[in-house]
Amino acid sequence: GQNIDQPTEMTATEGAIVQINCTYQTSGFNGLFWYQQHAGEAPTFLSYNVLDGLEEKGRFSSFLSRSKGYSYLLLKELQMKDSASYLCAPPGNYGQNFVFGPGTRLSVLP
Amino acid sequence: GAGVSQSPSNKVTEKGKDVELRCDPISGHTALYWYRQRLGQGLEFLIYFQGNSAPDKSGLPSDRFSAERTGESVSTLTIQRTQQEDSAVYLCASSLDGREAFFGQGTRLTVV
Repeated sequence: GQNIDQPTEMTATEGAIVQINCTYQTSGFNGLFWYQQHAGEAPTFLSYNVLDGLEEKGRFSSFLSRSKGYSYLLLKELQMKDSASYLCAPPGNYGQNFVFGPGTRLSVLP
Repeated sequence: GAGVSQSPSNKVTEKGKDVELRCDPISGHTALYWYRQRLGQGLEFLIYFQGNSAPDKSGLPSDRFSAERTGESVSTLTIQRTQQEDSAVYLCASSLDGREAFFGQGTRLTVV
């Protein structure tokens, strides 16, 4: 199977910066996805890295190193609404890149 | 349609009964995925359809689970002889050739 590892839970303070890591042992030519899932809701797309390096999109940035099997999601200027689970889906072969990691439950405290 | 639609949104069934869950993907999306999410857990991949190719069934947990898709349209996930352990939210997603996946709101299945 695909070994995908993420921290189970993280806690941070409103306004702070948090980095959520994802390590994996899959291989493939498609990119890595990050999704956000609020409690009781469906996951929604956050970012997609197809090349190594950092992709920035507003308060959220995502980094990928394919050679190291490593990615992180960086959330800046945390807001209460960022409290959610964050799921990574590592690179896979065509059609296989939507196997998700276990997710990281982030709690943002005032 | 405008988004991925799943029905029913909630289903309560008695242990041992069969259930059928439906997913209407976004029009034109060739890829369709089914996932199971137990309470407080991550997304568990079940099955993947890509166009007219043979589906990837590697995630189906037992032979009680099956899924069909007609072309690039509606998919149904069938669970036979339901067990209490089948209680979960079943999520469907579609994507255009393996790009960003769009999720439906899921079907919450409760087996009593």
